[in-house]
Amino acid sequence: DAGVIQSPRHEVTEMGQEVTLRCKPISGHNSLFWYRQTMMRGLELLIYFNNNVPIDDSGMPEDRFSAKMPNASFSTLKIQPSEPRDSAVYFCASSYGGRGDTQYFGPGTRLTVL
Amino acid sequence: GENVEQHPSTLSVQEGDSAVIKCTYSDSASNYFPWYKQELGKGPQLIIDIRSNVGEKKDQRIAVTLNKTAKHFSLHITETQPEDSAVYFCAALSNQFYFGTGTSLTVIP
Repeated sequence: DAGVIQSPRHEVTEMGQEVTLRCKPISGHNSLFWYRQTMMRGLELLIYFNNNVPIDDSGMPEDRFSAKMPNASFSTLKIQPSEPRDSAVYFCASSYGGRGDTQYFGPGTRLTVL
Repeated sequence: GENVEQHPSTLSVQEGDSAVIKCTYSDSASNYFPWYKQELGKGPQLIIDIRSNVGEKKDQRIAVTLNKTAKHFSLHITETQPEDSAVYFCAALSNQFYFGTGTSLTVIP
């Protein structure tokens, strides 16, 4: 299995621009998670999908952030407009059995907002 | 909600020595405790996990122990090697996963 795939691996953008991060979960997994990692706050769960439906988005920082999962093999995390404080590494993870099952992480997208 | 604390934040050991990383949690309902290893530029990778009905689990040089009464669990790495150098995260599952703040382990050749 290829594992969780994320793109792009690195993104540098200017403040105010729209950023879209992409994720392909492991085939057969029915849960998908978006995390943000920073030195100050560590790993933070942003949103959790189960069977393509958003179940818990309480970690989404504000309305500038949105996430979609149009099908079982693809999800996007969008930031519009982006701000310098959004600079972080964003991870996508997937699991077979839901929130309580082992999560497998992708390689991450390092986002820098200038 | 759950609160997971991890210590130490940094750890240096000589190659061949053992390394121990400890985590505590607050929610007695937490029942699953994975450990992740994150190498530079990569995502966290699961290395071992333990569920609340088990006190210890071992996989070659890696072991995890769980004390439910005291609400703490530990990662033990024996015969450390330079390739063990990475950041290690503990996590506890209650209503969702809560991660520790990470331990940067350096194994000195």
